[in-house]
Amino acid sequence: EVQLVQSGAEVKKPGESLKISCRGSGYSFTSFWIGWVRQMPGKGLEWMGIIHPSDSDTRYSPSFQGQVTISADKSISTAYLQWNSLQASDSAMYYCARSLGTSSSALDYWGQGTLVTVSS
Amino acid sequence: EIVLTQSPGTLSLSPGERATLSCRASQSVNSGYLAWYQQKPGQAPRLLMYGASSRATGIPDRFSGSGSGTDFTLTISRLEPEDFAVYYCQQYGTSFGGGTKVEIK
Repeated sequence: EVQLVQSGAEVKKPGESLKISCRGSGYSFTSFWIGWVRQMPGKGLEWMGIIHPSDSDTRYSPSFQGQVTISADKSISTAYLQWNSLQASDSAMYYCARSLGTSSSALDYWGQGTLVTVSS
Repeated sequence: EIVLTQSPGTLSLSPGERATLSCRASQSVNSGYLAWYQQKPGQAPRLLMYGASSRATGIPDRFSGSGSGTDFTLTISRLEPEDFAVYYCQQYGTSFGGGTKVEIK
């Protein structure tokens, strides 16, 4: 069974750093791209970027380029989303999801989401 | 960047009725590279349709997708209680539409 399991909820202060994770199982982790999607409270879905775990080839949405870092460790089948300096506006639910085919494909399996709260 | 506009914002229908959701792109979407997702409160989105008209694994056949170019449609032939949710379209590997909420009338 394909599963993406994300790390738990985080509460951080503005200016702090954060790295959340997404571990894949039940399939060949290095054969599929992993994407990240943001959902701010009460709002819609926003595509952030995507990574291929085999070689860490990464693509970012222009809206998120330079704001976050996407990485992966294929040895432990885990993808990451990282911030160097959080802002209150980063408070949101973050989902990882597996891409059905290429970097530009539908997202067929989703993690359960990681809620990030940034507040002083 | 292609902008996807979904309409209506909210659709109020009764169980058993037909739902028709629209997704319009600001530019042509290549080769039907369009997906639809369903999201229920407190849950992650779920892939319903890909390639504009192919159902994802396990999706019942009351869901169907159509369209090409700039105009796409998701149709739910007869609404079941579990179908009341928010639906998003997405151009592959990029932006999502703003969503359509299907609520019980």
